[in-house]
Amino acid sequence: QVQLVESGGGVVQPGRSLRLSCAASGFSFSSYGMHWVRQAPGKGLEWVAVISYDGNNKYYADSVKGRFPISRDNSKNTLYLQMNGLRAEDTAVYYCAKDMGSNSNDYYGMDVWGRGTTVTVSS
Amino acid sequence: DIQMTQSPSSLSASVGDRVAITCRASQTISSYLNWYQQKPGKAPKLLIYATSSLLSGVPSRFSGSGFGTDFTLTISSLQPEDFATYFCQQSYSVPLTFGGGTKVAIK
Repeated sequence: QVQLVESGGGVVQPGRSLRLSCAASGFSFSSYGMHWVRQAPGKGLEWVAVISYDGNNKYYADSVKGRFPISRDNSKNTLYLQMNGLRAEDTAVYYCAKDMGSNSNDYYGMDVWGRGTTVTVSS
Repeated sequence: DIQMTQSPSSLSASVGDRVAITCRASQTISSYLNWYQQKPGKAPKLLIYATSSLLSGVPSRFSGSGFGTDFTLTISSLQPEDFATYFCQQSYSVPLTFGGGTKVAIK
């Protein structure tokens, strides 16, 4: 079945780095844009970044621009988020999500979500 | 950036009630408006995309309407499994943005 599984979360000190991964299965990964969305404890949803199906287009929230590069390996059906210069305010559950649009540089709804991985930034 | 404002932030309702949640965009987003449902400890689920299209498997008691800047999610007859938090999200332009959420609780 269609599935996304995130990994790589943990507890990290401020200023350090962490890389999140999202393994996809059950669909043609290379045909869909992919997002990272986060949710701080007790808060709402915050979109973090998106990468186009072919990896050529990447967009970021201002809060992570320049710190959290998004990437993908279509040969491994895997999405990544490299998190550098972590701050306390980056503490959240990080979800990867599949966009509905196929082979498109436009973005629609996020129709498949992983269960999330928790990142805690604390000294 | 496009700001998304949901109202109310919370509501109490009974099983069988008709419930409406509104979402307003700070500028026009055409029909690029999506609705998600999230239950505690779970990932969000897409309910409605492009303002009014129900994702396959979503009950028909859910409906969406609107255009431009003002949008509404309606639940025609609230069921026990509908008690959750609902988020709107615009996909008109990056950065994509979510509304603050509406928590639907049992009265």
